[in-house]
Amino acid sequence: AQSVAQPEDQVNVAEGNPLTVKCTYSVSGNPYLFWYVQYPNRGLQFLLKYITGDNLVKGSYGFEAEFNKSQTSFHLKKPSALVSDSALYFCAVRDVGNTPLVFGKGTRLSVIA
Amino acid sequence: DAGVIQSPRHEVTEMGQEVTLRCKPISGHDYLFWYRQTMMRGLELLIYFNNNVPIDDSGMPEDRFSAKMPNASFSTLKIQPSEPRDSAVYFCASSMDSSYNEQFFGPGTRLTVL
Repeated sequence: AQSVAQPEDQVNVAEGNPLTVKCTYSVSGNPYLFWYVQYPNRGLQFLLKYITGDNLVKGSYGFEAEFNKSQTSFHLKKPSALVSDSALYFCAVRDVGNTPLVFGKGTRLSVIA
Repeated sequence: DAGVIQSPRHEVTEMGQEVTLRCKPISGHDYLFWYRQTMMRGLELLIYFNNNVPIDDSGMPEDRFSAKMPNASFSTLKIQPSEPRDSAVYFCASSMDSSYNEQFFGPGTRLTVL
């Protein structure tokens, strides 16, 4: 069965600095990987996904993620953090077939001005 | 498209009462998912439907919970009777029929059971 781990409950970064939110996964086949963001009192919003092809995926709001098959990781990155990026971030994985996404526990990102 | 629509946005009820949460998925989406989010347990998948048919309800916590999808544009999640530990935010999500398609989430219903 597929699973995903987000090792950090909280990430703090200063505004303007680069940010990384970590995610590792486990699947039996080729993974489909997703990142979502949740702002307070809102639903989850899709940021980006990796299906196949280029290991560096670009998404909404300047975010990108790097797929690393050997390390089974899919870390979310942004070159310069904004205070408005402060939110809860979820990594998710899907194995073969159209099964539901399996979500990590989430990482709370706090960008400090 | 208006996205996934959920109602009500907030519900406050007393223990023992019946609660019905509603969801309208995005038109053309074949899959519908119900999730529950709490601080303690995070995001939990309760049940999901494909073409209005329940596929997996193993996440439904108890027989007090039931879900239906009478047509492609409407689903309900019912809790009867409700208990304080059911207090959570309930999300509905929908997606198209493909393994590489993302799920689109509604704004959620915040349920408080007193």
